[in-house]
Amino acid sequence: GAVVSQHPSRVICKSGTSVKIECRSLDFQATTMFWYRQFPKQSLMLMATSNEGSKATYEQGVEKDKFLINHASLTLSTLTVTSAHPEDSSFYICSANLWGREQYFGPGTRLTVT
Amino acid sequence: GENVEQHPSTLSVQEGDSAVIKCTYSDSASNYFPWYKQELGKGPQLIIDIRSNVGEKKDQRIAVTLNKTAKHFSLHITETQPEDSAVYFCAASQGSSNTGKLIFGQGTTLQVKP
Repeated sequence: GAVVSQHPSRVICKSGTSVKIECRSLDFQATTMFWYRQFPKQSLMLMATSNEGSKATYEQGVEKDKFLINHASLTLSTLTVTSAHPEDSSFYICSANLWGREQYFGPGTRLTVT
Repeated sequence: GENVEQHPSTLSVQEGDSAVIKCTYSDSASNYFPWYKQELGKGPQLIIDIRSNVGEKKDQRIAVTLNKTAKHFSLHITETQPEDSAVYFCAASQGSSNTGKLIFGQGTTLQVKP
């Protein structure tokens, strides 16, 4: 299968600061990337859909000004959590696919806000 | 809204036994049904998928069946091994999958006892 990477794998930040998470498709060009959030022992919650060169589409209830998404190229999307607070602590996972075909996930980023 | 129901939430089997996880979906336009395996602290890994033009697909010890009329699909793992222990998620495409968006089930924690 295709490979998707995320960086960093873990990050700890202080309340009020911003954190950027990168998602890269390593061996294919992704027309669409997705950002998910996952709480312990729960399913994946889709936050937003990111298409290269256009604005991200956010799911209902997700604050677009808080979770900034940039899809700069067919292999890179970034999620920036702005003014992070402890309640933003979670496991963030990105995925990528090509024209509606198989969706491949990154390894996830564990964010802890202190 | 559209949803996917997954059962059971936990499943414990003896090594060598079979495991079956079942999902039902509500969107009659869904035509793509992947299954993911997620190990602790990692991103989901695509293990098998099926499209609506087939009723069954098999890959070594893993098989998936689809009943479009009843809107349900199942994952079958035969000759289970301890390394099969993980959380398994089913998913269904939102609509005809051109967007790539998936709706996930709640997950099944599979424990294979040696």
